[in-house]
Amino acid sequence: DIQMSQSPSSLSASEGDRITITCRASEGISTYLAWYQQKPGKVPKLLIYAASTLRSGVPSRFSGGGSGTDFTLTISSLQPEDVATYYCQKYSSAPGTFGQGTKVEIK
Amino acid sequence: EVQLVESGGGLVQPAGSLRLSCAASGFAFSSYWMHWVRQAPGKGLVWVSRINSDGSSTSYADAVKGRFTVSRDNAKNTLYLQMNSLRAEDTAVYYCARPVTVAGTSPLQHWGQGTLVTVSS
Repeated sequence: DIQMSQSPSSLSASEGDRITITCRASEGISTYLAWYQQKPGKVPKLLIYAASTLRSGVPSRFSGGGSGTDFTLTISSLQPEDVATYYCQKYSSAPGTFGQGTKVEIK
Repeated sequence: EVQLVESGGGLVQPAGSLRLSCAASGFAFSSYWMHWVRQAPGKGLVWVSRINSDGSSTSYADAVKGRFTVSRDNAKNTLYLQMNSLRAEDTAVYYCARPVTVAGTSPLQHWGQGTLVTVSS
C-alpha cells in the first residue's frame, strides 16, 4: 500500500507568516491528493482536492501544489482562525491513506 | 442539505462486537460511494473502509480487514459498519463521510459528527 508522510508534524508561526506543509507519497498518485483542516473538537473540513483545486468558500490564502509523490499546502498569510491540524489524503485508490497530520499554532 | 448522522457507538469489551449506522439525507445516497474514517483520542485521521454505490465492492484498511464489514441499505439511506473481534486499539471516534462526486476516486466533502467507540474491560 502507498504510504503518506507529512512534515513537519507541528509548526508555530506568527500571524501573517507564510507557511508550507509538505506531504509525500511513497509511490506516484498523480494529483489524487486532498488536504483537510481539522480544528480542535471539530469535524475535518475539505480544503483542497486534485492537489491544487480550492474548495468553494475556502480563503484564497490557502493553496496547494504538486503531483506524483510530492505535494505542498501553503498558507500565504497565517491567521488566528487557521490554528488547526492539517491532513493530506490520497484518494487514487483504496486504502485512502491519510498523512499523520501537521499541527499549526500561532506564536 | 447533506446530513450524515452516525449512531451505535458505545462501550464494548475486548473481543466484542458493535454495529455502527450512518443515516444519510439531503442527497441521492444510492449514487455515492461511502467511507468510514476513524480517529483515536488525540490522534490523527485513519481511513477504515469504503463501499461503492450499490454495495457490490468494498475495501478495508489492513488493521480492520477480516474483522470489520461495511454494508449499506440504499432503500433506507443507511450505511453500516459491523465491527467484530474488537480490540483496545479500535477505540476511536468513527466518522462516515461522503465524497465530493459520485466517482470512486473522490475526496471526502461531507462528514458526520462521529460516534465514539470505546473498547475496554
